[in-house]
Amino acid sequence: GNSVTQMEGPVTLSEEAFLTINCTYTATGYPSLFWYVQYPGEGLQLLLKATKADDKGSNKGFEATYRKETTSFHLEKGSVQVSDSAVYFCALSPMNRDDKIIFGKGTRLHILP
Amino acid sequence: GAVVSQHPSRVICKSGTSVKIECRSLDFQATTMFWYRQFPKQSLMLMATSNEGSKATYEQGVEKDKFLINHASLTLSTLTVTSAHPEDSSFYICSALPTGRGQPQHFGDGTRLSIL
Repeated sequence: GNSVTQMEGPVTLSEEAFLTINCTYTATGYPSLFWYVQYPGEGLQLLLKATKADDKGSNKGFEATYRKETTSFHLEKGSVQVSDSAVYFCALSPMNRDDKIIFGKGTRLHILP
Repeated sequence: GAVVSQHPSRVICKSGTSVKIECRSLDFQATTMFWYRQFPKQSLMLMATSNEGSKATYEQGVEKDKFLINHASLTLSTLTVTSAHPEDSSFYICSALPTGRGQPQHFGDGTRLSIL
């Protein structure tokens, strides 16, 4: 079946550090891949997406590349800020359909000033 | 950008009360809306898919008589937690899928439900 596995948190970094949050997936066919961010007490916001192999999604300094050969979609940012503290969810939508989304368990990120 | 309004943001009520949560798409039409439940420090669990003008599709293990969903228009879906008990306390999040392919879901800010 379809599933998403992401690194467990919490992840604690100092401001301006480099961030990587690993995400791998299992899916039949060619899913769309997403990263969502949830700030404290809020709902989810779409951070970035990629719909086919080798696509790179990017937003607010975050990037993730759709790697079909390694079934991965790792989230990276070169220099994190305190305001990036949140929970990050990797997710997939099977077979390029944007309806039913399967979420990973989330990774809590703490950025220290 | 696309905005989804979810109301109320927080509810505290006594056991046995029924609670209605509204999910509105403010600047787009959504044939399909989704209801999720999130336990503390855990991921989102899809509860049901709400389709305008038809019955909702519930995920396995979700009681349809407990969680009533109505999607009466292209911009509004409601979730009613009937006869709520403490174990129903959770964070409920809705999302709306804009009509048309290739559009991502847009999420509401969630409703924190606390049953005493």
